[in-house]
Amino acid sequence: TQLLEQSPQFLSIQEGENLTVYCNSSSVFSSLQWYRQEPGEGPVLLVTVVTGGEVKKLKRLTFQFGDARKDSSLHITAAQPGDTGLYLCAGRGSMNYGGSQGNLIFGKGTKLSVKP
Amino acid sequence: ETGVTQSPTHLIKTRGQQVTLRCSSQSGHNTVSWYQQALGQGPQFIFQYYREEENGRGNFPPRFSGLQFPNYSSELNVNALELDDSALYLCASSFLATSAGNTEAFFGQGTRLTVV
Repeated sequence: TQLLEQSPQFLSIQEGENLTVYCNSSSVFSSLQWYRQEPGEGPVLLVTVVTGGEVKKLKRLTFQFGDARKDSSLHITAAQPGDTGLYLCAGRGSMNYGGSQGNLIFGKGTKLSVKP
Repeated sequence: ETGVTQSPTHLIKTRGQQVTLRCSSQSGHNTVSWYQQALGQGPQFIFQYYREEENGRGNFPPRFSGLQFPNYSSELNVNALELDDSALYLCASSFLATSAGNTEAFFGQGTRLTVV
């Protein structure tokens, strides 16, 4: 069974601080996606990482895919209150691990609160 | 805005009743996946529909069923509702090319189902 574990589960910081969220698995994923979700809304795709070792930047957000494609991280520089939300990592299921073709496997998420 | 719309946005049902949730996929997409997100958890894959047929299923009982229509919209039906079925139900649309797999998934805003 493919699982994604995210840490930390909760994070409360002051505006201007930096933070890193981790997403780990014992399984290899062909790609990983990061989503941000606000209360009562669906997840919104931030980025997809595909190649082992890949680094992608989206303004103050930096995403990295591990060399072995089993883990990923999201780093936010100078966090702002608008960054508050639930950050989810997700990978495509693989039939090799008993998964179903095409489904996304999600971590439990990291709930980020940035205080002014 | 993703172009994926779900209805209704909120719903309250009594234990034992049946419910139908609806999803309109993004233009150009041919695949709809349904996810259940319990409070404080990441989304869990229910099933995926492609070309009007179920194309993968997660660990959910048969009382969770679905349909996909020729215009690629979809319904999720849940029979004999239980209290634990209370959750945010998300649909996601994507394009599945048999040779290349799924493109990135875009989520609707979800339907909040409360079973009392």
